[in-house]
Amino acid sequence: GQNIDQPTEMTATEGAIVQINCTYQTSGFNGLFWYQQHAGEAPTFLSYNVLDGLEEKGRFSSFLSRSKGYSYLLLKELQMKDSASYLCVHSGGYQKVTFGTGTKLQVIP
Amino acid sequence: EAQVTQNPRYLITVTGKKLTVTCSQNMNHEYMSWYRQDPGLGLRQIYYSMNVEVTDKGDVPEGYKVSRKEKRNFPLILESPSPNQTSLYFCASSRSRGGSAEAFFGQGTRLTVV
Repeated sequence: GQNIDQPTEMTATEGAIVQINCTYQTSGFNGLFWYQQHAGEAPTFLSYNVLDGLEEKGRFSSFLSRSKGYSYLLLKELQMKDSASYLCVHSGGYQKVTFGTGTKLQVIP
Repeated sequence: EAQVTQNPRYLITVTGKKLTVTCSQNMNHEYMSWYRQDPGLGLRQIYYSMNVEVTDKGDVPEGYKVSRKEKRNFPLILESPSPNQTSLYFCASSRSRGGSAEAFFGQGTRLTVV
């Protein structure tokens, strides 16, 4: 099955920039998602990359390198409400979606 | 408002007592799925459905059943719950069959089997 690796926890300061990395196996690639999940709540969609490069959406950006099996989520101007888990999700085509275990981000004052 | 609605939000039950968790979406999505989330394991897919009367197993289907009689509803059935099914469950729907569209998740159902 698909292995997705992302750091378990990260801490960053309010107002700073943080990068959350994700690596995956490159076989059967159909896209890479990032979701945000606050504790005890449902995941919510942040971004989707299918081509190499950077996708920017407000304070959040996501990067993809298909040849390296690598993605990152970049969060700028961190706010306290950004404290959450960030899930890297690999789409392997036709219904096969694999979630990473998530990176728990703590934003401190 | 576009949404996926799960019920109940919290449930405590005893081993062996059949239960159903309901899921309904109002976005006319063809694709729906069920996940369970356990600490350190991430979300794992239990079952999915590509359309009415079309369902298939995900990664962890043992001990679960589903049905898709209407496009909007996708209930999860535990015929004989066991303590290892204690978990946080999410229903999700999306418009794409190919895994290229965002998924909308329900609020979650926290199930405890004693």
